[in-house]
Amino acid sequence: GESVGLHLPTLSVQEGDNSIINCAYSNSASDYFIWYKQESGKGPQFIIDIRSNMDKRQGQRVTVLLNKTVKHLSLQIAATQPGDSAVYFCAVHTPYNNNDMRFGAGTRLTVKP
Amino acid sequence: DTEVTQTPKHLVMGMTNKKSLKCEQHMGHRAMYWYKQKAKKPPELMFVYSYEKLSINESVPSRFSPECPNSSLLNLHLHALQPEDSALYLCASSQVGHTKAAEAFFGQGTRLTVV
Repeated sequence: GESVGLHLPTLSVQEGDNSIINCAYSNSASDYFIWYKQESGKGPQFIIDIRSNMDKRQGQRVTVLLNKTVKHLSLQIAATQPGDSAVYFCAVHTPYNNNDMRFGAGTRLTVKP
Repeated sequence: DTEVTQTPKHLVMGMTNKKSLKCEQHMGHRAMYWYKQKAKKPPELMFVYSYEKLSINESVPSRFSPECPNSSLLNLHLHALQPEDSALYLCASSQVGHTKAAEAFFGQGTRLTVV
């Protein structure tokens, strides 16, 4: 089955710095990737997504990079704010495979004021 | 309306009880999901319904029984649970179709405690 994982379980950054959260996946046929943010006591919240026909996608203060060669994606958060403190998950969604969607292990981001 | 509504928010049940978790969405999504999440762990896929038919069952014990009565509703029937089944149960929904934006929207979850 699909294996999705993250390189670092925790990340602590200073407010205003940029944050980079990494994720590795195992199935080279995976074609849709999503980053979610989960705050304490809440369900995961969509941040940004990317399809396999792209290598970069930008949102507001967030950028996702996809490297299909090494099966790696990253989430970059610019000018990290205290409100960004949460657990971040990457997920691989396979719509053509019964809508299978699996999560990586998660990285806890802590922003220090 | 981009909400997925889960009820109840909290549930405490004994090992001999029967209870149901409910999930509702009105976004026209035809894929609906149940996940189980333990503390400090990622959501773990349990079931996926696509067009109201069960498309994925991740070898979940039969004491968990999903049901999708229509395209807006998803239930999870619980019977004879064990204390280790205590967790946050998350429902999600998404579009179906390779070319559509398929990000999943999640409910706030039901915090289940089995005593």
